[in-house]
Amino acid sequence: GAGVSQSPSNKVTEKGKDVELRCDPISGHTALYWYRQSLGQGLEFLIYFQGNSAPDKSGLPSDRFSAERTGGSVSTLTIQRTQQEDSAVYLCASSSSYFRDTEAFFGQGTRLTVV
Amino acid sequence: SQQGEEDPQALSIQEGENATMNCSYKTSINNLQWYRQNSGRGLVHLILIRSNEREKHSGRLRVTLDTSKKSSSLLITASRAADTASYFCATAPYSGNTPLVFGKGTRLSVIA
Repeated sequence: GAGVSQSPSNKVTEKGKDVELRCDPISGHTALYWYRQSLGQGLEFLIYFQGNSAPDKSGLPSDRFSAERTGGSVSTLTIQRTQQEDSAVYLCASSSSYFRDTEAFFGQGTRLTVV
Repeated sequence: SQQGEEDPQALSIQEGENATMNCSYKTSINNLQWYRQNSGRGLVHLILIRSNEREKHSGRLRVTLDTSKKSSSLLITASRAADTASYFCATAPYSGNTPLVFGKGTRLSVIA
């Protein structure tokens, strides 16, 4: 696609419910990243994928968070039993190769509100 | 953990003035990147400077990097109201699995 697409753009959910966030990276981009941004804060790294594999999952805040990527393309971030502190904007980015040498292209994010 | 720390946290200037934002970091880096964010949503890449470079220009943007002081600065010349946004520096660590590490950003307001 023309850019990184995230859906939904906004999600309001009740505490305790599960949510699934989707990221569709730029076609051909092998690397995909998830970040979280709380109001007025910087970006907190969650997880990244090289192809379908995630070498480092240590950034995920708790075992309620999981992510997968299939076919080297679309990725989903799942939050189980959501808590109010999970409220944030979840940003996805992709790049043509590993971040270190190239710029990242970000989606518009999913604003998650847990009530 | 956040490695890049921007300074100041907020900056307000008049249109036409120059805006300077600083970033400090802690560990060895492969490169440092600056991003812009409007309205708390997606980030847009502005410029990438590698660890062996000292200065880089792109339009009205000028970035410097001092690896001995572990610091970088972003200068926006002749600012416009449309430059109002949050600006983040992001460091790419020299080693390890963590990709770009972002700071908390500088909120720039350009008053027309």
